[in-house]
Amino acid sequence: SQQGEEDPQALSIQEGENATMNCSYKTSINNLQWYRQNSGRGLVHLILIRSNEREKHSGRLRVTLDTSKKSSSLLITASRAADTASYFCATGTSYSGAGSYQLTFGKGTKLSVIP
Amino acid sequence: DAGITQSPRHKVTETGTPVTLRCHQTENHRYMYWYRQDPGHGLRLIHYSYGVKDTDKGEVSDGYSVSRSKTEDFLLTLESATSSQTSVYFCATGTDTQYFGPGTRLTVL
Repeated sequence: SQQGEEDPQALSIQEGENATMNCSYKTSINNLQWYRQNSGRGLVHLILIRSNEREKHSGRLRVTLDTSKKSSSLLITASRAADTASYFCATGTSYSGAGSYQLTFGKGTKLSVIP
Repeated sequence: DAGITQSPRHKVTETGTPVTLRCHQTENHRYMYWYRQDPGHGLRLIHYSYGVKDTDKGEVSDGYSVSRSKTEDFLLTLESATSSQTSVYFCATGTDTQYFGPGTRLTVL
């Protein structure tokens, strides 16, 4: 079953504006990650935040994690047309046993940045 | 794509035929994964491998089998393809962070 759920499903903004996407999840996690997918391509890893971290930055990306609310947000500042893509959150969970790590993906937010 | 290739990239087949998709990696990652991506469902894990000959089921494993005889290759087999298996299939490697291949678009008529 889906662990992460992104909100909104679709977002359209003007170039230069900030874009915020949210992700909620249900069970305890080791980390939460955000991936980007351009149309017709594979997913590309953007940023990982561990369960003991609250905020992380990478370039124009800012991710927050609130484990008490089981939620995360991805902020893209000063958006560009090239940021147009689908963005997925994924929760990483370890289980006991040898084959013990899995990522569970949400359904994604489709971001359109209008020039 | 972190040294991950998938073959074929596109395939059209008929219901009831067997299909094998191949994932090849050059980074010597222990973990490899097969996902399917469908509109409205996001990515769902089919099977994964945590070493040579070590595999386990994911969320949507029914109708699929996998094999990993070498570190670099992870095969996904549809024993008897059905129309519900029409999808885009992605292979990935890595642990905390996963690196994805370019995908295989499979159409089952």
